[in-house]
Amino acid sequence: GESVGLHLPTLSVQEGDNSIINCAYSNSASDYFIWYKQESGKGPQFIIDIRSNMDKRQGQRVTVLLNKTVKHLSLQIAATQPGDSAVYFCAAYFGNEKLTFGTGTRLTIIP
Amino acid sequence: GAGVSQSPSNKVTEKGKDVELRCDPISGHTALYWYRQSLGQGLEFLIYFQGNSAPDKSGLPSDRFSAERTGGSVSTLTIQRTQQEDSAVYLCASSSRQDSRAFFGQGTRLTVV
Repeated sequence: GESVGLHLPTLSVQEGDNSIINCAYSNSASDYFIWYKQESGKGPQFIIDIRSNMDKRQGQRVTVLLNKTVKHLSLQIAATQPGDSAVYFCAAYFGNEKLTFGTGTRLTIIP
Repeated sequence: GAGVSQSPSNKVTEKGKDVELRCDPISGHTALYWYRQSLGQGLEFLIYFQGNSAPDKSGLPSDRFSAERTGGSVSTLTIQRTQQEDSAVYLCASSSRQDSRAFFGQGTRLTVV
């Protein structure tokens, strides 16, 4: 069936360290993935996306890795800052273009 | 406007009353989504509109929930005979065919008392 899950519900990282948030998906037909950041009281905000014809994509301090063999997606945040504290969601498009979200990982940056 | 706009931002209603939540998507976006987010939880898909196609209503939790999208733009989510378990933040998002990234509004926080 269609599902997008996350390995850990919470993650704490020392400020300045790198963080990795993982996500697993079940439908190998999915061809487009997005990571969102949601701060308290706000709607999810687009961070970075990747299509299935890519393995890696980099943005500013963020990198998304896609492993289609094991259906795994990760978001790496480099040199974390207090402003990175938020809930992070991965999302995937399945064939009918309905965007399906994972359960989210709450990232806490420790000063 | 430049982004997805939702109104009201907060709504407190009595149990048993009907409520209407409004979403103004980004101009030109053909796809529109409604999600529900309970406190500390993930995003629960409710309904999806794409252009003139029949909406995907598979996420609506009961027949008390309905949504429409007029003229391919503004959408209204209606909850009839509200229950306390309907209390949540209702999020709307829109996207275009050319750019599949979905952009979210700030949400409507619904509290049923």
